Amino acid sequence: GEDVEQSLFLSVREGDSSVINCTYTDSSSTYLYWYKQEPGAGLQLLTYIFSNMDMKQDQRLTVLLNKKDKHLSLRIADTQTGDSAIYFCAEIPPGNTPLVFGKGTRLSVIA
Amino acid sequence: DAGVTQSPTHLIKTRGQQVTLRCSPISGHKSVSWYQQVLGQGPQFIFQYYEKEERGRGNFPDRFSARQFPNYSSELNVNALLLGDSALYLCASIPEVGEAFFGQGTRLTVV
Repeated sequence: GEDVEQSLFLSVREGDSSVINCTYTDSSSTYLYWYKQEPGAGLQLLTYIFSNMDMKQDQRLTVLLNKKDKHLSLRIADTQTGDSAIYFCAEIPPGNTPLVFGKGTRLSVIA
Repeated sequence: DAGVTQSPTHLIKTRGQQVTLRCSPISGHKSVSWYQQVLGQGPQFIFQYYEKEERGRGNFPDRFSARQFPNYSSELNVNALLLGDSALYLCASIPEVGEAFFGQGTRLTVV
């Protein structure tokens, strides 16, 4: 079966950088997304990257894409306690099919 | 510009009952998708609608049905509720290309 894979937990100290990794399933996926989910809330779109890009930076967020290895990462610089949440990686495989999500990485930020 | 709105936000139903969840997409977005998120898991695709037509269906039983209206809003119906249907139900509003935005979800509890 096809699975988007993420490590389940990550713990960092406030002020450090966080790197959340994801392995997706289809090298032809057109868009790759990162969503943030706080307790009891819906999904907040953080950023996304087109498959023809290697990197995208948006303020404290940096997304790196390695298409050969089907690896996506999200780096959060100067991690704050407000960044504590679950982060989901998602892809849209070819054929305008729906988003396929990983199980999420729970980021805990220690003050 | 309003975001994706879902109603109700919370719902408690008894086993065997029926439930209807509602979603209004972002203005100008013609595609709506529904996802089920069970506690501790990533969202799982249920349905996708585009221009009032079903474009995709996930691996869910026939008790789940949906429709999209001329104004692009959508309803998700679940019949004969089971305890396992307890979850956060998320609606995604999708433009022609690019970002998929989610509502805050409807938390359904079946007792």
